[in-house]
Order: sequence, then structure tokens, then C-alpha cells
Amino acid sequence: DSGVTQTPKHLITATGQRVTLRCSPRSGDLSVYWYQQSLDQGLQFLIHYYNGEERAKGNILERFSAQQFPDLHSELNLSSLELGDSALYFCASSVFPVNKEPGELFFGEGSRLTVL
Amino acid sequence: TQLLEQSPQFLSIQEGENLTVYCNSSSVFSSLQWYRQEPGEGPVLLVTVVTGGEVKKLKRLTFQFGDARKDSSLHITAAQPGDTGLYLCAGVDWSNTGKLIFGQGTTLQVKP
Repeated sequence: DSGVTQTPKHLITATGQRVTLRCSPRSGDLSVYWYQQSLDQGLQFLIHYYNGEERAKGNILERFSAQQFPDLHSELNLSSLELGDSALYFCASSVFPVNKEPGELFFGEGSRLTVL
Repeated sequence: TQLLEQSPQFLSIQEGENLTVYCNSSSVFSSLQWYRQEPGEGPVLLVTVVTGGEVKKLKRLTFQFGDARKDSSLHITAAQPGDTGLYLCAGVDWSNTGKLIFGQGTTLQVKP
């Protein structure tokens, strides 16, 4: 158990819909990262928050947005869903921002999104 | 943007065999990490290498960081079925505000 909690574990929805994925980091971790994992794309970095502020952004689609709340939990919002958005979405947390390397990322078990 | 390329992508071997997985880049990384991911779970950190030429051992796993800090390798001796999983290398891409990027991964299957 990494200490990172992601909900829901599985989600099936239709194209055009909107979903919210939730992440609770390990106690004391200020950084939250979101990654998308699909078979043909590997583990793709989406976005990084540190103590409520956005620190780094990957190739995150405009239809996707995220935020980190004062209690440090984070939400990833995916809207106008397309078939290609089907993937595993991972949240990870760490104590420091990644620029205080080397830092270990602790990953949740992921949220599997299926868009039909 | 820095990239990490792993090879091979897939590896299926018999129990007891040795294997090596490679992680290469054209860019210099200040450190590289190796993670292992099992089905239905998130990646778990195995090791971080930070010094060029560094060798770290974790039981039957040996990790090496290239002298120029552009590549790393993972060698498994006498592989066991419990080693089955996806092996990922990762490093910080400082060309873009310091995001932790991952290689495509090497899927290892060890047959009993």
C-alpha cells in the first residue's frame, strides 16, 4: 500500500461526457502528479501540483483540467470525452517538488477510464 | 524535450536466465530512476542512480548509470517468475520546468 488513494478505480462512460478523478496523496506529501497510461503511449506526464500551485504541465489536453485543494487532495477533470481518452490515470505524490531530486514518487493504483 | 528510450520492449524468458534492460537518451540526466509495475498496480520505485558510472545492487538486480549520465541498464540474474512485470526508467526533464518523464517500459515475462 503506497498510501496514495485514487477513486474511482473503474469508470465507464460515454463519449462527450465529463468525469472527475480524485486523488488523496500520502500524509505529508505536498506534491501531486497525474499521469496517463495507455498501451501505445506508455506513462505520459499530465500535470504536477505542489502545495496547491501548478508547477509543471505536460501535453495535457485543453479538455482536461486539474487542481489541488487546500487539504492537498487533487482532482483531474476530463470533459468532452473521446474514445481515445480511455486509459489508466495514475496519481502520484512525493514530499518535495520534483526539482529537489532524487525524489521518489508514490503511485496510487490508478483509475481505469473506459469511454464507449 | 528530453526522451528516454527503453529496449527491448518485450522480453519473455525462462526461469533462471539472465537478462538486461536498457534505458537510453541523447540528453544528460542528473539522475535516473527505475520503477517496476505489476498488473493492476501503480509503479513502485526500485532504485535511483545519481552518479555517472554508479552501480547499485538490489538482491539479483544490478543497476548501472552510464559514465556520461545519458543511459542506464538493469541486469537481472537468475530471473524468477516473481520478477514478471513492467520495468520503467524515469528521469527529470529540466528542459520543461522539471517534469518526471518515463520511458515506454520493458514488459518482462519469466516463465516457470
